[in-house]
Amino acid sequence: AIQMTQSPSSLSASVGDRVTITCRASQDIRNELGWYQQKPGKAPKVLIYAASSLQSGVPSRFSGSGSGTDFTLTISSLQPEDFATYYCLQDNNYPWTFGQGTKVEIK
Amino acid sequence: EVQLVESGGDLVQPGGSLRLSCAASGFTFRSHWMTWVRQAPGSGLEWVANIRDDGTDKYYVDSVKGRFTISRDNAKNSLYLQMNSLRAEDTAVYYCTRILAVRKSGIYFDSFDPWGQGTLVTVSS
Repeated sequence: AIQMTQSPSSLSASVGDRVTITCRASQDIRNELGWYQQKPGKAPKVLIYAASSLQSGVPSRFSGSGSGTDFTLTISSLQPEDFATYYCLQDNNYPWTFGQGTKVEIK
Repeated sequence: EVQLVESGGDLVQPGGSLRLSCAASGFTFRSHWMTWVRQAPGSGLEWVANIRDDGTDKYYVDSVKGRFTISRDNAKNSLYLQMNSLRAEDTAVYYCTRILAVRKSGIYFDSFDPWGQGTLVTVSS
């Protein structure tokens, strides 16, 4: 199975900060990667698909990049509603696998 | 409104069985692959199973192969997960989600959208 390694596992940031989360795949997954946001007690929500395509309705402060094995989710200016846990997901090869998550907390 | 509503979660003893259901509305259910994802308490997300739009192909994470069966009834707009030989490590919130396939540069890319609210399965004696 493809292993997805996210870093950091948690971070503290302030409103307005630029935040970067990375995800590394254990093998080449082309650009078959998505990013999901989950708030406590709620279902996840898709932000990015195909590594860099913004899902309809998602604010443009979210962006994704990368291909192959290294991927990045960037929040250009952190907003209060962005404090949540973020997961990457590879859908290149079965079994599909999530990263372990990155919790973004208020500094 | 596109909506997914899970049901069937319960407290069950180890070795027992449970059937989860997911009712879909607001979209053409028979045209989409569907998925089950689970989340153990305090843990991350784990993909569990996918099923093709017509039900002919199914894929599972290794830890549930031979114990769980994903199925669907397109006439009833419903997705199911039959869970047998349940173990304590199957304790989780189970989400159903639609696979949304978007064509980009001639290739289809998948995402999970939307998600249901989840249903809690607790395996304990």
